[in-house]
Amino acid sequence: DAGVIQSPRHEVTEMGQEVTLRCKPISGHDYLFWYRQTMMRGLELLIYFNNNVPIDDSGMPEDRFSAKMPNASFSTLKIQPSEPRDSAVYFCASSLVLVGYGYTFGSGTRLTVV
Amino acid sequence: GIQVEQSPPDLILQEGANSTLRCNFSDSVNNLQWFHQNPWGQLINLFYIPSGTKQNGRLSATTVATERYSLLYISSSQTTDSGVYFCAVGEGSTLGRLYFGRGTQLTVWP
Repeated sequence: DAGVIQSPRHEVTEMGQEVTLRCKPISGHDYLFWYRQTMMRGLELLIYFNNNVPIDDSGMPEDRFSAKMPNASFSTLKIQPSEPRDSAVYFCASSLVLVGYGYTFGSGTRLTVV
Repeated sequence: GIQVEQSPPDLILQEGANSTLRCNFSDSVNNLQWFHQNPWGQLINLFYIPSGTKQNGRLSATTVATERYSLLYISSSQTTDSGVYFCAVGEGSTLGRLYFGRGTQLTVWP
């Protein structure tokens, strides 16, 4: 298996622009997670899905952020409009189950908003 | 949420040395994982270990759930072990949400 695949690896955008990050989980994994890593706040969960349904989105910072999972093999995280404080590394992860199994992370997308 | 404290924050070793990284957490957990973030930023899952002891090559981990801590042991360190080691925990009321510690930055010199 190719693991969790994220794209793009790097994204530089201007403030106010829309940004879309993409994730393909490991085939057969029922859970998909979006995490954000910053120097100030470390790694924090934004949202997670179970069988394509959002379960916990309490970590989504504000209405500018939205996430979708239209099918079992694809998810997007969208920021509209983007702001400089959104600059971070965004990770996608997937897992077979919530407990009993380790989570597999993708390589991350480094987002820079200027 | 659960508070997760990792120590030491930084660790510098010579190749071949052994080390112990500690993770303390503030509440009962049913999910505990150790990750290694390599210098390229990739997060690699090392162990799923909410209790007990596991070993994988030169790495081993022990979690004492009743005392709310976990230890990661690295033996015979290699330069490729360099990076940041994170402990992450989850508990029943917020199942699915992992709370990460701030990590231990490990540097192994040849």
